[in-house]
Amino acid sequence: QKEVEQDPGPLSVPEGAIVSLNCTYSNSAFQYFMWYRQYSRKGPELLMYTYSSGNKEDGRFTAQVDKSSKYISLFIRDSQPSDSATYLCAMIQAAGNKLTFGGGTRVLVKP
Amino acid sequence: GAVVSQHPSWVICKSGTSVKIECRSLDFQATTMFWYRQFPKQSLMLMATSNEGSKATYEQGVEKDKFLINHASLTLSTLTVTSAHPEDSSFYICSARRETNTEAFFGQGTRLTVV
Repeated sequence: QKEVEQDPGPLSVPEGAIVSLNCTYSNSAFQYFMWYRQYSRKGPELLMYTYSSGNKEDGRFTAQVDKSSKYISLFIRDSQPSDSATYLCAMIQAAGNKLTFGGGTRVLVKP
Repeated sequence: GAVVSQHPSWVICKSGTSVKIECRSLDFQATTMFWYRQFPKQSLMLMATSNEGSKATYEQGVEKDKFLINHASLTLSTLTVTSAHPEDSSFYICSARRETNTEAFFGQGTRLTVV
């Protein structure tokens, strides 16, 4: 079993819909959580960085962390075709150095 | 967010030659830099972690003599693929972070093709 599980998709939504992404993890030592967006043949771009359980909002993006359930989510409101990309969750342990990634979810927003 | 610049964005080289890829943090000092390799439609595979002024820590299965990593300053790390072969063709990405447990920022990636 992988440390971080993420549905590979593809997740196809119509333009304007809410995109809902999530990751589950098994290691309770993970304390810091990130979401990245990666376009084809580009490096990942940081979208959200969170530490504590709860919600964090930035523009159209909302990240949720539920440490008790070992579950994190990313919501994208008013999705646009330009949001079509692969979304990666990543985590770091409290005393750790390396990022542990989910496998990524491919999202397609259709106009 | 912070900016990490990776160069070149793509390179084609002949089998047996060496290729150097640079990773620079442009607006912050990176205590740690990471090098990843990514195959098509797969997630990132960590190759090594480097801290400024010390030897890189390689992941299991990564040949340290083939993939030479130098982190000479707080803003520059280099990855040299020595005696490249076609199986080394891949997408290589670096990332950098200021301190432990802070977010990591990624370069644009380098597509290496060995012919």
